[in-house]
Amino acid sequence: GAVVSQHPSRVICKSGTSVKIECRSLDFQATTMFWYRQFPKQSLMLMATSNEGSKATYEQGVEKDKFLINHASLTLSTLTVTSAHPEDSSFYICSANKYFGPGTRLTVL
Amino acid sequence: QKEVEQNSGPLSVPEGAIASLNCTYSDRGSQSFFWYRQYSGKSPELIMFIYSNGDKEDGRFTAQLNKASQYVSLLIRDSQPSDSATYLCAVDPYSSASKIIFGSGTRLSIRP
Repeated sequence: GAVVSQHPSRVICKSGTSVKIECRSLDFQATTMFWYRQFPKQSLMLMATSNEGSKATYEQGVEKDKFLINHASLTLSTLTVTSAHPEDSSFYICSANKYFGPGTRLTVL
Repeated sequence: QKEVEQNSGPLSVPEGAIASLNCTYSDRGSQSFFWYRQYSGKSPELIMFIYSNGDKEDGRFTAQLNKASQYVSLLIRDSQPSDSATYLCAVDPYSSASKIIFGSGTRLSIRP
């Protein structure tokens, strides 16, 4: 199946800093990628749809100025969590072509 | 509002038995259906997809689709302890690169 990678797999940062997470499609091109967030023992929550060459589409309740998405090429989408706070600590997962990346666990101190 | 419904479980099945996971969806025009397995602390892994009515088999897994009843199921034969996970049903209403709709998942526990 298609391979989607994410980097980093785990990140710890201080409150108020920004964190960038990369999502890459390794063996296919993806004009659309999706970003999800999952809190412990909860369901996946779709945050936004990343569109190559155009603005991302955010789900209701997701702050676009806090979660910046850039989809600059057909194989790379990035999610930047700006001014991170402890409540942003979560498991962030990207998806492309129905396949998921391995996820990034963010811990904000 | 398009919805995908699953019983949250937990569903407990003895080792070696058949585990049956069920899912219903609200959008009658949905085209593609997926089953994902998610282990605790890991991202979802695509294990089966089905587009046509009927059964689709892959190893110990069988996906069943009934579009008239808006029902899709996953059967796991000869259940193993390693099958213990949360199983997510997902529906793609448009069979394109559009976002897919997930159920909340069924937690499956295989008891030795």
